[in-house]
Amino acid sequence: GDSVTQMEGPVTLSEEAFLTINCTYTATGYPSLFWYVQYPGEGLQLLLKATKADDKGSNKGFEATYRKETTSFHLEKGSVQVSDSAVYFCALNNNDMRFGAGTRLTVKP
Amino acid sequence: DTGVSQDPRHKITKRGQNVTFRCDPISEHNRLYWYRQTLGQGPEFLTYFQNEAQLEKSRLLSDRFSAERPKGSFSTLEIQRTEQGDSAMYLCASSPPGGQARAEQYFGPGTRLTVT
Repeated sequence: GDSVTQMEGPVTLSEEAFLTINCTYTATGYPSLFWYVQYPGEGLQLLLKATKADDKGSNKGFEATYRKETTSFHLEKGSVQVSDSAVYFCALNNNDMRFGAGTRLTVKP
Repeated sequence: DTGVSQDPRHKITKRGQNVTFRCDPISEHNRLYWYRQTLGQGPEFLTYFQNEAQLEKSRLLSDRFSAERPKGSFSTLEIQRTEQGDSAMYLCASSPPGGQARAEQYFGPGTRLTVT
């Protein structure tokens, strides 16, 4: 069945460092891809999405490009802030939403 | 703000008791989903409604779990005879109509259940 694999955490970075969180997927057909962010004690917030190959989703300085040839949707940000500390989930929707296990990011001042 | 709301936010119950959670989706959204999330994991799908019809149920949804959406608006998730393994965050999500089965879903804040 469809699945998402994302890089294990935790990831610890200094403020203003470059962030990459890897995400690869397995799916038949053409799923939509998403990144969600979860702050402590809260539900998931949609961060960005891409619905077809080569689409780039972006929001709040975060970006991810839908790469069908490598079945990947890596999350990047050029300069992280302390407020970006959270758990990030990669997900696909191919008529059923499937999530990765999440990657915890801690940004230190 | 008219996002997805869930009630209660936290529930502590003793093993064997019944609990019920409520979810109010975004008002124009006709699709509603329930997920369970355990510590260190992503959400796992439990069940899905389109309007008032429950269209899909996961094998995770044992006979002790039941969900309803009687008028196609809010939904309830009931767990009967709770077990310690039911302790988790229960998340509700909704998505808009329009035939996009692969659309994004909008999540509520969750109900954290602790079974003692």
